[in-house]
Amino acid sequence: AQKVTQAQTEISVVEKEDVTLDCVYETRDTTYYLFWYKQPPSGELVFLIRRNSFDEQNEISGRYSWNFQKSTSSFNFTITASQVVDSAVYFCALSEPLRGAQKLVFGQGTRLTINP
Amino acid sequence: DTAVSQTPKYLVTQMGNDKSIKCEQNLGHDTMYWYKQDSKKFLKIMFSYNNKELIINETVPNRFSPKSPDKAHLNLHINSLELGDSAVYFCASSLRTGVSNRIEAFFGQGTRLTVV
Repeated sequence: AQKVTQAQTEISVVEKEDVTLDCVYETRDTTYYLFWYKQPPSGELVFLIRRNSFDEQNEISGRYSWNFQKSTSSFNFTITASQVVDSAVYFCALSEPLRGAQKLVFGQGTRLTINP
Repeated sequence: DTAVSQTPKYLVTQMGNDKSIKCEQNLGHDTMYWYKQDSKKFLKIMFSYNNKELIINETVPNRFSPKSPDKAHLNLHINSLELGDSAVYFCASSLRTGVSNRIEAFFGQGTRLTVV
């Protein structure tokens, strides 16, 4: 069965610090997708990034970067120079394509608090 | 605005009542989903439809019945509401795998259901 573990339940840092959110996954599938979503205090779920299992390139988008390592089944997320607006719950998710649909299995989420 | 929109945003109702949550997307996606987020923020898939066909049906009580009149709409009807049904319900949509590499799911703003 697929499983996603976000071992850090809560993280609190001071603004401008760098912070890394860990994500470890388990799957027997050779083709799968990994995602990160952000849930700010307003409650909506915001898509951040998708990674295919066959593409291990790391990605950088502004202050956000993602490190995908199949050897350790990890897909970690780093925020550089954090800002108060980054405060949210962040979810890592794994999906298995199922007849065209994406069955997302979410981690427990990491609540990130950026203090001014 | 292009988005996934669901109504209502808040729903307070008494035990035993029947209620519906509506969802519509104008992203041109062909696959839609319902997810449930419990009080501990844990997200779990309930259903998925592709072009009006039921694709994913997780272990959900029969009191929950999804209905998809067309590929842009997926409604959730809940009969005989129970206290344990209180949660945030998210609708989402995506493109079917194989149609595009951009298969990430986009979520609605959520419906907070409170059963009293």
